[in-house]
Amino acid sequence: DGGITQSPKYLFRKEGQNVTLSCEQNLNHDAMYWYRQDPGQGLRLIYYSQIVNDFQKGDIAEGYSVSREKKESFPLTVTSAQKNPTAFYLCAIVDRGFAFFGQGTRLTVV
Amino acid sequence: AQSVAQPEDQVNVAEGNPLTVKCTYSVSGNPYLFWYVQYPNRGLQFLLKYITGDNLVKGSYGFEAEFNKSQTSFHLKKPSALVSDSALYFCAVRDIKAAGNKLTFGGGTRVLVKP
Repeated sequence: DGGITQSPKYLFRKEGQNVTLSCEQNLNHDAMYWYRQDPGQGLRLIYYSQIVNDFQKGDIAEGYSVSREKKESFPLTVTSAQKNPTAFYLCAIVDRGFAFFGQGTRLTVV
Repeated sequence: AQSVAQPEDQVNVAEGNPLTVKCTYSVSGNPYLFWYVQYPNRGLQFLLKYITGDNLVKGSYGFEAEFNKSQTSFHLKKPSALVSDSALYFCAVRDIKAAGNKLTFGGGTRVLVKP
């Protein structure tokens, strides 16, 4: 069963804690992206990686960190520096502009 | 820089009536244009794309979109809407000349189809 798997589907975090969202793909694709979705604001790009061991900041990278040690995995850490982390997070692979998305992780800070 | 505007937050339509969701874009070069649909608490699903060729693009579930270069628009249309079309729709653009694969999304338009 091919595709992009994000876990967990729902995540709760206490203020001041770091939390890591998982994104795994078995499509053998180089480029992976993280987006944040807020109501009425569409999708905003957090980080993206075009190849293993390389990644770039997107439009709203502050308070987030990523790693790309393996082609299959692109985890996103939401740090305590992110002032408003409650959102829906989407991981995607993008090829020539076409994006294939995971099912998303809804993060709530309690 | 590339940008996308979806001027309507919500579109209401009766089942069986035509549906139009508007999208305008701005790029420095030529665009790749996309429409995606999102159901609650799910990722986005691809509907259709314009890369080159015919201005009228046909996609999944009976949707189509018309690329209009002079008006920099890429409106999504469906001749006869279904209740099951109720969802959140996103337009996206990529500038062909831009490095990498960065997609820019519009803010989304919620479609509500009433029986």
